[in-house]
Amino acid sequence: KNQVEQSPQSLIILEGKNCTLQCNYTVSPFSNLRWYKQDTGRGPVSLTIMTFSENTKSNGRYTATLDADTKQSSLHITASQLSDSASYICVVSAVSTDKLIFGTGTRLQVFP
Amino acid sequence: ETGVTQSPTHLIKTRGQQVTLRCSSQSGHNTVSWYQQALGQGPQFIFQYYREEENGRGNFPPRFSGLQFPNYSSELNVNALELDDSALYLCASSLVGGYTFGSGTRLTVV
Repeated sequence: KNQVEQSPQSLIILEGKNCTLQCNYTVSPFSNLRWYKQDTGRGPVSLTIMTFSENTKSNGRYTATLDADTKQSSLHITASQLSDSASYICVVSAVSTDKLIFGTGTRLQVFP
Repeated sequence: ETGVTQSPTHLIKTRGQQVTLRCSSQSGHNTVSWYQQALGQGPQFIFQYYREEENGRGNFPPRFSGLQFPNYSSELNVNALELDDSALYLCASSLVGGYTFGSGTRLTVV
């Protein structure tokens, strides 16, 4: 069964600190992996998208990594800001369907 | 280039009623997919339309139905609403795998 699991479920950090969110997936055959940021009550906004051949991609203070062998990805946030408070969702697509399979997300709260 | 627009933004319905949610896709995107997101959960795939035809469906009962129009805008219809249908409903339009999400419709069933 195609699944995407994220950890931790929630995370609290102080402004200016770094953090890393984890994503494990069992989707096969793998097409691509995306990280989205979702503010409460809003639609997800794309941060990064990586295919099988890519193992790192950055978008400003966000850096995503992908290990297709171990089927793991991480999202590293550098020098966190209050506006980083949101849910971060890992989404994986399979080659056969290109449908999006969502993780349950990590709820990040950044405090001053 | 316009983004994905969903309407209404919020809606309150009574159990047993029917509801129609609307989505205007991003310009040039010919595929629309709908998702249900319960509070604190990740989005769950409902169905997808490509050029007015349904081409994929998640584990949702037949009372969840949809349409896609020639301009690629879309509707999600839910009949016989249940309390558990209360959720954020997201629409995403795509072209060759590039997805853009709308801000969602918050449906509350009382």
